[in-house]
Amino acid sequence: EADIYQTPRYLVIGTGKKITLECSQTMGHDKMYWYQQDPGMELHLIHYSYGVNSTEKGDLSSESTVSRIRTEHFPLTLESARPSHTSQYLCASSAGTGDTNEQFFGPGTRLTVL
Amino acid sequence: QQQVKQSPQSLIVQKGGISIINCAYENTAFDYFPWYQQFPGKGPALLIAIRPDVSEKKEGRFTISFNKSAKQFSLHIMDSQPGDSATYFCAARGVNFNKFYFGSGTKLNVKP
Repeated sequence: EADIYQTPRYLVIGTGKKITLECSQTMGHDKMYWYQQDPGMELHLIHYSYGVNSTEKGDLSSESTVSRIRTEHFPLTLESARPSHTSQYLCASSAGTGDTNEQFFGPGTRLTVL
Repeated sequence: QQQVKQSPQSLIVQKGGISIINCAYENTAFDYFPWYQQFPGKGPALLIAIRPDVSEKKEGRFTISFNKSAKQFSLHIMDSQPGDSATYFCAARGVNFNKFYFGSGTKLNVKP
């Protein structure tokens, strides 16, 4: 069982609200990732981080922002939520060393913007 | 542009049968090909993975077949069980940036 946590698990919020999705891991992994997953669709990378104070945008354009002030914490923020942001958001981490670089996923946050 | 193409989108198999899911990629710079299993309400979990210098990898009932020249790889689940019912994603890792590209997923339903 991977030690990576996401809160909240479910969030229903009105348009225009600011939200922060939390992600934390206790494995000491350097690399962390945020994916967006729509039902029946592939995972799209929206943000990633190679370590503290390192963040990059992924391949799918996103209006969200991330920060990495501590190794174990990688929150994602939406300043003004819109219905188009409705999706599942998955956080993942990996050690960044070794041959396989396995990613461990959290349980996800299902966001609904009304 | 989708980097990894996965088929079929859904699959129904009788208990004890063989489930086969296929993936294809274009980018020859990929260096690691994992398969993930995802149950409803959970995040994906690594099931089995292969590197491109190996043509086959078997772990229990799960086998990856890899065809480097055709840029295709597939997951075979032998003796499929109802507990295998889940969504399966193939993925490929970019060699330079350690980013993963995922297929669109296959929802497997194993009938008892």
